[in-house]
Amino acid sequence: GENVEQHPSTLSVQEGDSAVIKCTYSDSASNYFPWYKQELGKRPQLIIDIRSNVGEKKDQRIAVTLNKTAKHFSLHITETQPEDSAVYFCAAVGGATNKLIFGTGTLLAVQP
Amino acid sequence: DVKVTQSSRYLVKRTGEKVFLECVQDMDHENMFWYRQDPGLGLRLIYFSYDVKMKEKGDIPEGYSVSREKKERFSLILESASTNQTSMYLCASSLRTGRVNQPQHFGDGTRLSIL
Repeated sequence: GENVEQHPSTLSVQEGDSAVIKCTYSDSASNYFPWYKQELGKRPQLIIDIRSNVGEKKDQRIAVTLNKTAKHFSLHITETQPEDSAVYFCAAVGGATNKLIFGTGTLLAVQP
Repeated sequence: DVKVTQSSRYLVKRTGEKVFLECVQDMDHENMFWYRQDPGLGLRLIYFSYDVKMKEKGDIPEGYSVSREKKERFSLILESASTNQTSMYLCASSLRTGRVNQPQHFGDGTRLSIL
C-alpha cells in the first residue's frame, strides 16, 4: 500500500534561518499533498497543500515543492520564528484508495 | 470556520470496558475520519465514512468499530478496551467534491488511557 516517509524526525534551527522538511511517497497515482502543523497539545492544522498538477506553491514564508518523477515533496520555511516551533506532518492521498497517508512527523525547534 | 468537536479531551477507562468516542462537525461535511496518534508513528487511519450509514476500514481497524447515524456525528467504539489502545484519538472531517480531494479539519483530540 501507500507509504510516506518523512525526514528529518527532528530539526533545530536558529531564528531567521530556513528549515526544510522532505517527504517521499510510494504511490505514483497520489495527487494531493497537504502539510499540517501541530503545536504542543493542539490539533493538527493545515498550513499549505499542493496538487499534482502544480510543481510549487508559496504562501508568505512557507512554500511546498513537488517532484512527481522522483515522488518526493518538500516544505520550506524561510525566516523562521520561535512560533514556527511545532511538529509538522506531510501526507499524501493514495491514488487508488483516496485515503490520506501521513508521514511520521518532524519536530521543528526554532532557537531564539 | 470549520468546527470539529470531540466530546472529551481526556478519558480514563478500564481493560475490557466498551468505550465510545464521539465527534461532531458543524460544516455539513460528507467525509469523516478517525485516527490515532502515537509518538514516532504519526497519524494512522482507523476508520472513515463517506456518508451516513457508510463506513470503510482504514489501516488499523482491529479492535474498533464506528457508527455514522447522522451526517454531523461519527462515533468510534472500542468494543473491549485493551492497554495497547491507550493513545491520542483524532477525529477529522472534509468535503467530498467528486474525485478532488479537500483538506481535512481536525478536532482537538481525546487522550484515552486504558488501565
